[in-house]
Amino acid sequence: AQTVTQSQPEMSVQEAETVTLSCTYDTSESNYYLFWYKQPPSRQMILVIRQEAYKQQNATENRFSVNFQKAAKSFSLKISDSQLGDTAMYFCAFMKPVTTSGTYKYIFGTGTRLKVLA
Amino acid sequence: DVKVTQSSRYLVKRTGEKVFLECVQDMDHENMFWYRQDPGLGLRLIYFSYDVKMKEKGDIPEGYSVSREKKERFSLILESASTNQTSMYLCASSSPPRQGVFGQGTRLTVV
Repeated sequence: AQTVTQSQPEMSVQEAETVTLSCTYDTSESNYYLFWYKQPPSRQMILVIRQEAYKQQNATENRFSVNFQKAAKSFSLKISDSQLGDTAMYFCAFMKPVTTSGTYKYIFGTGTRLKVLA
Repeated sequence: DVKVTQSSRYLVKRTGEKVFLECVQDMDHENMFWYRQDPGLGLRLIYFSYDVKMKEKGDIPEGYSVSREKKERFSLILESASTNQTSMYLCASSSPPRQGVFGQGTRLTVV
Protein backbone atom coordinates (compact mmCIF):
# COMPACT_ATOMS: atom_id res chain seq x y z
CA ALA A 1 0.00 0.00 0.00
CA GLN A 2 1.11 3.51 -0.72
CA THR A 3 1.10 5.64 2.42
CA VAL A 4 2.22 9.05 3.53
CA THR A 5 3.03 9.59 7.21
CA GLN A 6 3.23 12.90 9.01
CA SER A 7 4.19 12.09 12.58
CA GLN A 8 3.76 15.58 14.06
CA PRO A 9 0.06 16.46 14.46
CA GLU A 10 0.86 19.91 15.87
CA MET A 11 3.87 22.17 16.06
CA SER A 12 4.60 25.71 17.09
CA VAL A 13 7.45 28.08 16.31
CA GLN A 14 8.39 31.59 17.28
CA GLU A 15 8.18 34.25 14.63
CA ALA A 16 11.47 34.58 12.68
CA GLU A 17 12.63 31.13 13.79
CA THR A 18 13.08 28.02 11.63
CA VAL A 19 10.89 24.94 11.80
CA THR A 20 11.01 21.56 10.06
CA LEU A 21 7.95 19.43 9.33
CA SER A 22 8.57 15.76 8.69
CA CYS A 23 7.04 13.43 6.13
CA THR A 24 7.81 9.87 5.19
CA TYR A 25 6.22 7.83 2.44
CA ASP A 26 6.14 4.31 1.24
CA THR A 27 6.26 3.34 -2.40
CA SER A 28 7.68 0.77 -4.74
CA GLU A 29 7.69 3.22 -7.63
CA SER A 30 10.91 4.75 -8.89
CA ASN A 31 9.35 7.72 -10.65
CA TYR A 32 7.00 9.91 -8.63
CA TYR A 33 6.37 13.43 -7.41
CA LEU A 34 6.12 14.89 -3.93
CA PHE A 35 4.40 18.04 -2.76
CA TRP A 36 3.81 20.16 0.30
CA TYR A 37 0.48 21.98 0.49
CA LYS A 38 -0.58 24.66 2.95
CA GLN A 39 -4.17 25.05 4.15
CA PRO A 40 -4.77 28.29 6.09
CA PRO A 41 -8.00 28.93 8.02
CA SER A 42 -9.60 30.06 4.75
CA ARG A 43 -9.49 26.34 3.77
CA GLN A 44 -7.93 27.04 0.37
CA MET A 45 -5.21 24.49 -0.34
CA ILE A 46 -2.13 26.22 -1.68
CA LEU A 47 0.91 24.53 -3.21
CA VAL A 48 4.06 25.34 -1.26
CA ILE A 49 6.70 23.29 -3.02
CA ARG A 50 7.14 20.36 -5.41
CA GLN A 51 9.90 17.77 -5.83
CA GLU A 52 10.45 15.31 -8.66
CA ALA A 53 11.90 12.02 -7.41
CA TYR A 54 14.41 11.79 -10.24
CA LYS A 55 15.98 15.11 -9.21
CA GLN A 56 18.70 14.84 -6.59
CA GLN A 57 18.68 18.57 -5.88
CA ASN A 58 16.36 19.69 -3.10
CA ALA A 59 13.63 22.08 -4.18
CA THR A 60 13.55 25.62 -2.77
CA GLU A 61 10.90 28.34 -2.92
CA ASN A 62 11.94 31.50 -1.10
CA ARG A 63 11.74 30.69 2.66
CA PHE A 64 10.58 27.13 2.01
CA SER A 65 12.93 24.27 1.23
CA VAL A 66 12.81 20.50 1.36
CA ASN A 67 15.20 17.80 2.47
CA PHE A 68 14.49 14.94 0.09
CA GLN A 69 16.11 11.64 1.03
CA LYS A 70 14.99 9.14 -1.61
CA ALA A 71 16.59 6.07 -0.11
CA ALA A 72 15.08 6.82 3.28
CA LYS A 73 11.75 7.83 1.66
CA SER A 74 11.76 11.06 3.60
CA PHE A 75 10.54 14.48 2.45
CA SER A 76 10.73 17.14 5.15
CA LEU A 77 9.77 20.80 4.77
CA LYS A 78 11.89 23.55 6.32
CA ILE A 79 10.38 26.99 6.85
CA SER A 80 12.94 29.69 7.53
CA ASP A 81 12.21 33.09 9.09
CA SER A 82 8.71 31.95 10.07
CA GLN A 83 5.95 34.53 9.69
CA LEU A 84 2.52 34.80 11.31
CA GLY A 85 0.98 34.14 7.90
CA ASP A 86 2.62 30.71 7.86
CA THR A 87 0.12 29.56 10.50
CA ALA A 88 -1.78 26.80 8.72
CA MET A 89 -2.28 23.09 8.27
CA TYR A 90 0.49 21.56 6.15
CA PHE A 91 -0.05 18.43 4.10
CA CYS A 92 2.57 16.26 2.48
CA ALA A 93 1.37 14.59 -0.71
CA PHE A 94 2.66 11.90 -3.02
CA MET A 95 1.61 11.60 -6.64
CA LYS A 96 1.76 8.16 -8.12
CA PRO A 97 0.87 6.71 -11.51
CA VAL A 98 -2.30 4.66 -11.87
CA THR A 99 -1.40 1.83 -14.20
CA THR A 100 -4.99 0.94 -15.13
CA SER A 101 -5.69 4.35 -16.62
CA GLY A 102 -2.25 5.78 -17.31
CA THR A 103 -3.01 8.75 -15.12
CA TYR A 104 -1.94 9.92 -11.66
CA LYS A 105 -3.55 10.26 -8.28
CA TYR A 106 -2.51 12.09 -5.10
CA ILE A 107 -2.14 10.49 -1.69
CA PHE A 108 -2.03 12.80 1.31
CA GLY A 109 -0.70 12.57 4.83
CA THR A 110 -2.79 13.41 7.89
CA GLY A 111 -1.34 16.90 8.17
CA THR A 112 0.66 18.97 10.66
CA ARG A 113 -0.97 21.99 12.25
CA LEU A 114 1.65 24.72 12.52
CA LYS A 115 1.20 27.77 14.72
CA VAL A 116 3.59 30.69 14.45
CA LEU A 117 3.79 32.62 17.72
CA ALA A 118 4.35 36.36 17.90
CA ASP B 1 -6.38 33.55 -12.51
CA VAL B 2 -6.94 29.80 -12.87
CA LYS B 3 -9.71 28.40 -10.78
CA VAL B 4 -11.46 25.40 -9.37
CA THR B 5 -14.89 26.41 -8.13
CA GLN B 6 -17.09 24.38 -5.84
CA SER B 7 -20.77 25.24 -5.95
CA SER B 8 -21.32 25.66 -2.22
CA ARG B 9 -19.12 26.64 0.68
CA TYR B 10 -21.54 25.37 3.33
CA LEU B 11 -24.36 22.88 2.92
CA VAL B 12 -26.83 21.37 5.38
CA LYS B 13 -28.85 18.34 4.27
CA ARG B 14 -31.18 15.85 5.92
CA THR B 15 -30.47 12.16 6.35
CA GLY B 16 -31.65 10.20 3.31
CA GLU B 17 -31.52 13.14 0.90
CA LYS B 18 -29.73 12.87 -2.43
CA VAL B 19 -26.92 15.43 -2.42
CA PHE B 20 -25.00 16.86 -5.35
CA LEU B 21 -21.65 18.60 -4.91
CA GLU B 22 -20.50 20.38 -8.03
CA CYS B 23 -17.00 21.30 -9.11
CA VAL B 24 -15.96 23.31 -12.17
CA GLN B 25 -12.44 24.03 -13.44
CA ASP B 26 -11.37 26.48 -16.12
CA MET B 27 -7.89 25.10 -16.86
CA ASP B 28 -8.79 22.37 -19.37
CA HIS B 29 -7.32 19.78 -16.99
CA GLU B 30 -7.78 16.11 -17.81
CA ASN B 31 -7.90 14.90 -14.20
CA MET B 32 -10.37 15.81 -11.50
CA PHE B 33 -10.57 14.50 -7.95
CA TRP B 34 -12.92 14.45 -4.99
CA TYR B 35 -11.43 14.20 -1.49
CA ARG B 36 -12.95 14.08 1.92
CA GLN B 37 -11.09 15.85 4.76
CA ASP B 38 -11.62 14.84 8.38
CA PRO B 39 -9.56 15.87 11.45
CA GLY B 40 -6.73 13.45 12.10
CA LEU B 41 -7.38 11.56 8.86
CA GLY B 42 -6.05 14.03 6.32
CA LEU B 43 -7.44 13.97 2.79
CA ARG B 44 -8.88 10.71 1.59
CA LEU B 45 -9.60 10.11 -2.09
CA ILE B 46 -13.23 9.25 -2.89
CA TYR B 47 -13.22 9.15 -6.69
CA PHE B 48 -11.24 10.60 -9.54
CA SER B 49 -11.77 11.04 -13.26
CA TYR B 50 -9.16 11.12 -16.01
CA ASP B 51 -11.45 11.93 -18.94
CA VAL B 52 -15.06 12.68 -19.74
CA LYS B 53 -17.25 9.79 -18.57
CA MET B 54 -14.16 7.97 -17.20
CA LYS B 55 -13.80 7.44 -13.47
CA GLU B 56 -11.95 5.34 -10.95
CA LYS B 57 -12.67 4.56 -7.33
CA GLY B 58 -10.41 6.01 -4.71
CA ASP B 59 -9.87 4.74 -1.20
CA ILE B 60 -13.34 5.43 0.24
CA PRO B 61 -15.95 5.25 -2.57
CA GLU B 62 -18.71 3.57 -0.54
CA GLY B 63 -21.86 5.69 -0.37
CA TYR B 64 -20.71 8.01 -3.16
CA SER B 65 -20.92 8.16 -6.93
CA VAL B 66 -19.60 10.68 -9.47
CA SER B 67 -20.48 12.09 -12.84
CA ARG B 68 -18.31 13.74 -15.47
CA GLU B 69 -20.36 14.61 -18.54
CA LYS B 70 -18.18 17.57 -19.55
CA LYS B 71 -14.44 18.01 -19.16
CA GLU B 72 -14.74 21.05 -16.93
CA ARG B 73 -17.33 19.68 -14.50
CA PHE B 74 -17.07 16.85 -11.96
CA SER B 75 -19.96 16.10 -9.63
CA LEU B 76 -19.96 14.11 -6.42
CA ILE B 77 -23.27 12.46 -5.54
CA LEU B 78 -24.34 11.18 -2.17
CA GLU B 79 -27.19 8.84 -3.09
CA SER B 80 -28.70 8.79 0.40
CA ALA B 81 -26.90 11.10 2.78
CA SER B 82 -26.00 9.79 6.21
CA THR B 83 -24.65 11.54 9.29
CA ASN B 84 -21.26 9.84 8.88
CA GLN B 85 -20.86 11.73 5.61
CA THR B 86 -20.71 15.01 7.48
CA SER B 87 -17.32 16.32 6.45
CA MET B 88 -15.31 18.77 4.39
CA TYR B 89 -15.24 17.90 0.70
CA LEU B 90 -12.44 19.16 -1.53
CA CYS B 91 -12.34 19.07 -5.31
CA ALA B 92 -9.08 19.30 -7.27
CA SER B 93 -8.01 19.22 -10.88
CA SER B 94 -4.65 18.62 -12.52
CA SER B 95 -2.88 18.05 -15.78
CA PRO B 96 -0.47 15.25 -14.87
CA PRO B 97 2.16 15.24 -13.69
CA ARG B 98 1.59 18.80 -12.53
CA GLN B 99 0.32 19.54 -9.05
CA GLY B 100 -3.35 19.57 -8.22
CA VAL B 101 -5.26 22.85 -7.97
CA PHE B 102 -7.93 22.84 -5.29
CA GLY B 103 -11.32 24.40 -4.84
CA GLN B 104 -12.27 26.23 -1.66
CA GLY B 105 -14.02 23.25 -0.12
CA THR B 106 -17.61 22.45 0.82
CA ARG B 107 -18.43 21.85 4.45
CA LEU B 108 -21.36 19.43 4.41
CA THR B 109 -23.45 18.76 7.49
CA VAL B 110 -25.98 15.93 7.41
CA VAL B 111 -28.62 16.17 10.14
